[in-house]
Amino acid sequence: QVHLVQSGAQVKKPGASVKVSCKVSGYSFMNYDITWVRQAPGQGLEWMGWISGYNAKTNYAQSVHGRVTMTTDTSTSTVFMELRSLRSDDTAVYYCARSLRRDGPDYWGQGTLVTVSS
Amino acid sequence: QSVLTQPPSASGTPGQRVTISCSGSWSTIGNNYVNWYQQLPGTAPKLLIYRNDERPSEVPDRFSGSKSGTSASLAISGLRSEDEADYYCGSWDDSLSGQVFGGGTKLTVL
Repeated sequence: QVHLVQSGAQVKKPGASVKVSCKVSGYSFMNYDITWVRQAPGQGLEWMGWISGYNAKTNYAQSVHGRVTMTTDTSTSTVFMELRSLRSDDTAVYYCARSLRRDGPDYWGQGTLVTVSS
Repeated sequence: QSVLTQPPSASGTPGQRVTISCSGSWSTIGNNYVNWYQQLPGTAPKLLIYRNDERPSEVPDRFSGSKSGTSASLAISGLRSEDEADYYCGSWDDSLSGQVFGGGTKLTVL
């Protein structure tokens, strides 16, 4: 079975950085992208970007471009998302999801709550 | 402001059929597949419909999807209390080279 397991909740101060991991299993890592989506409290889904499991090519949303970096570790089938210069409006649940580029996400991780508060 | 437009709410009584609409543009729905996701409170989204009208094997056939032009719809027949959730449509955006989502529709089973 396909599984995506994310790291645990974190609390950060404004201006700090956060790094969330997403370990995948049950499929060939290189055949899919990983898409990151976040959801602020009581709000909808916001696409943040994707990273290719094949060649680590990335594409980031304009809303986080310059503050986000997505990377892969093929040896452990793990994807990382780092967000820098955190602001209070970055408080959200962050999801990783497997995707086939234009087909969109199918399997999702359980989510990681990141709280930005002074 | 979401790229795809959904009604914020929908409702129905048990056994009824309800539909949820999703409107986009030619760079999104018009030229790409539409997916639908169900999100129960406190949980991650779950894929309900993919490639406009395909259903994962574990999803009941009460759920169906359709697409026409730059719009899509999700239909739920034989409504049940456990269908009460938030529903999101999603599609690729050619101009962003990324995913876009609707703002979500909160379904209430009366």
